[in-house]
Amino acid sequence: DAKTTQPPSMDCAEGRAANLPCNHSTISGNEYVYWYRQIHSQGPQYIIHGLKNNETNEMASLIITEDRKSSTLILPHATLRDTAVYYCIVRGSTGANNLFFGTGTRLTVIP
Amino acid sequence: DAGVIQSPRHEVTEMGQEVTLRCKPISGHDYLFWYRQTMMRGLELLIYFNNNVPIDDSGMPEDRFSAKMPNASFSTLKIQPSEPRDSAVYFCASRFDSSYNEQFFGPGTRLTVL
Repeated sequence: DAKTTQPPSMDCAEGRAANLPCNHSTISGNEYVYWYRQIHSQGPQYIIHGLKNNETNEMASLIITEDRKSSTLILPHATLRDTAVYYCIVRGSTGANNLFFGTGTRLTVIP
Repeated sequence: DAGVIQSPRHEVTEMGQEVTLRCKPISGHDYLFWYRQTMMRGLELLIYFNNNVPIDDSGMPEDRFSAKMPNASFSTLKIQPSEPRDSAVYFCASRFDSSYNEQFFGPGTRLTVL
């Protein structure tokens, strides 16, 4: 499985965009990039995933570089409730069910 | 749907006792996963089921741990006998057999073994 590298922590001002980077230089052609987050004392929550193209949903946007070796999760208007640990995971689709959660990025949204 | 339901939310027990954690997945989901989270090791997959059948239990730490899924709406994770190093938060998650890996997690059970 492709390993991911994320900064251990980041701060973001409330109302500003939070840009969380992830490096996955060994990603293979059929592997997706998934983002999950874990708010304190809760279970992880799925945010978004993508293969090649940029993706957007009601929670966030995912920008994947053309060579697919890195990606950025964007929370367009961060709120205090977005304070959490964000995990970038690279994995296949069906048939590859193990999600390996690394150490993630601890995002703190500051009032 | 109420989401994935886990019980109990908190469990405190003494070393050597049997512990049973319970999970009700989201209705219609084909896969069920058990994870364990500790400060030292992070979030680890213990075992997962597909259509009630255990598929991969390579993450189960040792024979003291066992998991069952007698039907599509219920699963248990049992530890017998429990040890202090089993203290952790145990999460259950479920997903559809879809084309991508979106897992829905329960609130977790915080287990403390004294």
